[in-house]
Formats: sequence, structure tokens, C-alpha cells
Amino acid sequence: AQKITQTQPGMFVQEKEAVTLDCTYDTSDPSYGLFWYKQPSSGEMIFLIYQGSYDQQNATEGRYSLNFQKARKSANLVISASQLGDSAMYFCAMRGLNSGYALNFGKGTSLLVTP
Amino acid sequence: KAGVTQTPRYLIKTRGQQVTLSCSPISGHRSVSWYQQTPGQGLQFLFEYFSETQRNKGNFPGRFSGRQFSNSRSEMNVSTLELGDSALYLCASSSLGDTGELFFGEGSRLTVL
Repeated sequence: AQKITQTQPGMFVQEKEAVTLDCTYDTSDPSYGLFWYKQPSSGEMIFLIYQGSYDQQNATEGRYSLNFQKARKSANLVISASQLGDSAMYFCAMRGLNSGYALNFGKGTSLLVTP
Repeated sequence: KAGVTQTPRYLIKTRGQQVTLSCSPISGHRSVSWYQQTPGQGLQFLFEYFSETQRNKGNFPGRFSGRQFSNSRSEMNVSTLELGDSALYLCASSSLGDTGELFFGEGSRLTVL
């Protein structure tokens, strides 16, 4: 079974500052992928970044980077230079070798960026 | 390139009724999956279809069903609606590329009275 844990229900960050959203996971799958999605109030889930379990380097996509620590089973999202438009719910998700293309999501973290 | 389109966006039903939600994936995507999002349970996987075949199914009762057509469009049906079925239903499509990332629609918000 897979489990995704996001321990921060809500976070505040000032505009232009960096923020780290925590995600830990548990799985018995030998191969898996980790995803971060952003969900604004409109409801649409927006893909941000992906990290494969065998990737040697941490993934980066523009202002988003994933701090992947396999031994600690953590996959924290780092958003640099926060913008007001970054205010949204952020979900960490995992897909395992044996789960097909089904994603297992964490409960999410609500991020509010203040001026 | 058009995104994932879900219809209807909002709907209200009463207990005992049934509902059908529709999803048109991104052109060329053959995998379509459905998720239910509620404040209490969060995001939960319902099922996934590929080439008209259900490949994966989440832990939901048989009242929840789906299908996929030859053009990859998908529908999900919920019969004998219960109050607890009130949720945002999200459809996602995938090209099954390297990352297999899912592209989501804006969802269908169902309210059961």
C-alpha cells in the first residue's frame, strides 16, 4: 500500500520569498514516481513537477524544484520567488509500479502568498 | 491544443437519482482516469480506462461505473445517489509518456440534496 503525508495544512509566505512544502511517502514499490500538483480555487489540477525514484538529480521546472531524499522518503516542493498567483492548494502524489497510472494523493497544503 | 473538457461543470441532484458525467481528453491521449475530491476524504482514485478497457479501479461501490468510447471520450455514472456523493469529480488524461503525467480538467461539481 502507498501513503502520502502532507503535514502542513496551511502555509503563509511573503511575496518574493521562497517556501518549502513538505511531503513524505511510504511505499513498497521498487519503482515509483512522485508528482506535485497545484489546485487554484477554480478546481483544475495543474501539473507542476515530476521526480522518478531512480532519477539521480532533483527535478526542477522554472521556479519549482523538488528536494528528493529517497532514504528519508521525502519529496518536498520548493517554490522560489513566490508570487501572489501561487496562492492555491498544493498536492503531493505518488504512482507506483503496481498501481498503473492511478495517483495516490496527499491531503494537500494550502499556500497563501501575501504582499 | 485543447485541454481536458468536463461537462457539466455544476449540477444538483436529489438522493436516489443517477448522474452521468462526461470527459473529453486531450487529443491523442488514450488513458482517462477519474477522481473524486471531497473535503473529508481528499482526492480518491475511481477508475482508469485505456483503449475502452478499464485497467484500474479504486475502492468505490458498484454504484460508480464508467466507460470509454473509441474516440477516448469517457463517461462516469453514479446511480442511486447518496448525500455523501457530493463532490468534485475530476477527469484526467494521459499520453502515457515518460512521466505519464496526468492532465486534469476543471471538474464537475455534484451536489446531492
